[in-house]
Amino acid sequence: EVQLVESGGGLVQPGGSLRLSCAASGFTFSDYYLSWVRQAPGKGLEWVSVIFNDGRTDYADSVKGRFTISRDNSKNTLSLQMSSLRTEDTAVYYCARGSGTYFDFDHWGQGTLVTVSS
Amino acid sequence: SYVLTQPPSVSVAPGKTARITCGGNNIGSKSVHWYQQKPGQAPVLVIYYYNARPSGIPERLSGSNSGNTATLTISRVEAGDEADYYCQVWDSDSDHVVFGGGTKLTVL
Repeated sequence: EVQLVESGGGLVQPGGSLRLSCAASGFTFSDYYLSWVRQAPGKGLEWVSVIFNDGRTDYADSVKGRFTISRDNSKNTLSLQMSSLRTEDTAVYYCARGSGTYFDFDHWGQGTLVTVSS
Repeated sequence: SYVLTQPPSVSVAPGKTARITCGGNNIGSKSVHWYQQKPGQAPVLVIYYYNARPSGIPERLSGSNSGNTATLTISRVEAGDEADYYCQVWDSDSDHVVFGGGTKLTVL
């Protein structure tokens, strides 16, 4: 069974940093691309970042230069290092597995809440 | 950047057909994916690659895509279909994932 479990969320002050992790199991981690998707309270889904099998990465303009996505294939773990956090970064952060050819996401974690507030 | 436009809400009576649209420039040339999200839960993929359904998704849900509009159709709507629905594409020009703003489906 595919499982994605996020951790690392919490309360952080504006300008602060936080590192999210996503522990994966039930599939060959290195074979898949993975993304972070966030959802602000009461709002829609917003794509944050993607990391491909070959390590190539992409970021939404809203987080580029502040967030860094990475993966550790030996530990089956996806990470998101977030710095210079803003109040508008407050959201539930989901990790999601890309299914392959069509850039859809076939499995999602339950999410971890990040609150940026003073 | 590529923009996907969805109606904020759609209402339908039980047993009827709901159609949720997703507009985008020449979206017919892209693979469109649809997600269902119920309150307090993570999104679930319900349609991918135009009109394919993951295992466990009922045949009542189907997708179509042409021109500037993609559509998620839910036939014989049930109370359990009440949820937010999001469309999504990959924008190859920007190498970005793009989500629509979401549509809240209300079953009357």
